Amino acid sequence: EIVLTQSPGTLSLSPGERATLSCRASQNVGNGALAWFQQKPGQAPRLLIYGETARASGTPDRFSGSGFGTDFTLTISRLEPEDFAVYYCHQYSTSRTFGQGTKVEIK
Amino acid sequence: QVQLQESGPGLVKPSETLFLTCSVSGTSVSTGAHYWSWIRQSPERGLEWIGHVFFTGSTEYSPSLKSRVTISVDRSKDQFSLRLTSVTAADSAVYFCARDGGYSLEYWGQGRPVTVSS
Repeated sequence: EIVLTQSPGTLSLSPGERATLSCRASQNVGNGALAWFQQKPGQAPRLLIYGETARASGTPDRFSGSGFGTDFTLTISRLEPEDFAVYYCHQYSTSRTFGQGTKVEIK
Repeated sequence: QVQLQESGPGLVKPSETLFLTCSVSGTSVSTGAHYWSWIRQSPERGLEWIGHVFFTGSTEYSPSLKSRVTISVDRSKDQFSLRLTSVTAADSAVYFCARDGGYSLEYWGQGRPVTVSS
């Protein structure tokens, strides 16, 4: 099973700042099969990024995904008030697994 | 507009079987392009992928749950179902159904909270 480790656990930032979230895999994630989700309290996760870098429908262009192999990054260029949430990475290369999440909170 | 909706008991007794159904609208479970998935979430375990079913009935399960899980599809009703046997308190979670296609898990249900308790 591919274990995904996200860091940091919590990111305290102000609106307008840049957020950089990391996801490290225990094994190579092949075929670009890495996605990022945003989750707000009481809601289902929402797909933001799939295929490592492709934005899902409705994802603002301030969100970008990058990385390759075992190291991946989600960047939010300028935080908007609605971006404060928990973010999960997810690999669908070998079976399916999720990271434990990074909470982006208002500083 | 693709929509998924979970249904089933919110309370299950320990050692019994959890059974949930996901009703799909705006698309069909018979399309060959997607897997129909179950995921659960708890404070202790975070997001946990349970497994998925293809319209043919072929399945894949999480190794940690494989011995207790069955996911099946009913094409006539545009539904798919989750069966989890021998539940314990550790199986208490919010259970989500989702569509897994070329864009990963693009559509999700709202989630069904399930508590395992006597």
